[in-house]
Amino acid sequence: DVKVTQSSRYLVKRTGEKVFLECVQDMDHENMFWYRQDPGLGLRLIYFSYDVKMKEKGDIPEGYSVSREKKERFSLILESASTNQTSMYLCASKSVQGNNEQFFGPGTRLTVL
Amino acid sequence: RKEVEQDPGPFNVPEGATVAFNCTYSNSASQSFFWYRQDCRKEPKLLMSVYSSGNEDGRFTAQLNRASQYISLLIRDSKLSDSATYLCVVNVYSSASKIIFGSGTRLSIRP
Repeated sequence: DVKVTQSSRYLVKRTGEKVFLECVQDMDHENMFWYRQDPGLGLRLIYFSYDVKMKEKGDIPEGYSVSREKKERFSLILESASTNQTSMYLCASKSVQGNNEQFFGPGTRLTVL
Repeated sequence: RKEVEQDPGPFNVPEGATVAFNCTYSNSASQSFFWYRQDCRKEPKLLMSVYSSGNEDGRFTAQLNRASQYISLLIRDSKLSDSATYLCVVNVYSSASKIIFGSGTRLSIRP
């Protein structure tokens, strides 16, 4: 059974804190993604990674950075959290083969106070 | 204009009814299409891919109209368990591959 896990389901941080969101997949997928999901806006791509050590900006990368040191792990970093980064964060992975299906983690609900 | 547009709903229909939603996309370089389902407070999961000739999976039928640039999802004999948000997803292949999600259509099935 395929699995994508995220380090926390719920997280509360203060403005200015550095925040790490971790995502791990056990499917040996090359591609990994970080999205945020907000009401009325749908899923918006923050960053993605084609493979280890590779990263590409998505549609809304400002205020975020990522790290992909190992194939199974893709980390999202908020260098200095702000209240407008309060959101649901979803990680996904997919193989470069097959039908392009993305497999999502359960999400992290981040609140920045 | 959004690259992928969906009616947000909610669609509120009785159990057993047939319901359909559309999704329009703006980029003619769009190559592959999907419907995902997202339950409340859960992650999105693939419901079905959408093929050029249309495809069916049990009570669900997906259609693609390239000329008018829309895809549709039809649910027959709806069940209470079909209540969810349905996300339209489009893969665009131009200089690089890009996956674009619609904002979703909320469906609520009432007894």
